[in-house]
Amino acid sequence: QVTLRESGPALVKPTQTLTLTCTFSGFSLSTSGMCVSWIRQPPGKALEWLALIDWDDDKYYSTSLKTRLTISKDTSKNQVVLTMTNMDPVDTATYYCARTIAVASYYFDYWGQGTLVTVSS
Amino acid sequence: EIVMTQSPATLSVSPGERATLSCRASQSVSSNLAWYQQKPGQAPRLLIYGASTRATGIPARFSGSGSGTEFTLTISSLQSEDFAVYYCQQYNNWPPGFTFGPGTKVDIK
Repeated sequence: QVTLRESGPALVKPTQTLTLTCTFSGFSLSTSGMCVSWIRQPPGKALEWLALIDWDDDKYYSTSLKTRLTISKDTSKNQVVLTMTNMDPVDTATYYCARTIAVASYYFDYWGQGTLVTVSS
Repeated sequence: EIVMTQSPATLSVSPGERATLSCRASQSVSSNLAWYQQKPGQAPRLLIYGASTRATGIPARFSGSGSGTEFTLTISSLQSEDFAVYYCQQYNNWPPGFTFGPGTKVDIK
């Protein structure tokens, strides 16, 4: 079955760089159509899509955050990594990774359980 | 960027009653719309994609309709496990990105 799991620091200081890892199983990112996204949710607020990487190593970023984000994959390890630079308290959120199968549709069919990242000095 | 709005923000419903949730897009997204359910402390769960297709394992009491800019999620007879926050998401404007609505909380009346 498909599973995804996020990992990374629970606390980062302002101006630091956040690195999150999504480790998944049940599918391969080398299979045509497979994609993994990062999505975040500040406490009590709505979901915000951040970035997507696809099977062909194409990368897409939120327009508002693209200067701070980098997404990459390690197909052999079944992992996707997101880095976000210059963290600020407003970036405090639960960060999710989620799978998409890009066959004319880009909805998120499987999600990780999320990891809460707090930005505070 | 396509802006998604949802109404109402909160919907109070008694168990067994029907719930109707609305989602509106600032411009047409065709049928490229999904609905998700999120319970406290949990990740979102895909309910509906393509505006009206139920995801695997989703009960038939959940139905989606609409196209263009106006969409509806209907829960025909609310069960206790359905009290949650529901989000819509458009994926028509891809690339550059996806957008979610602000959510509708369905709580117990």
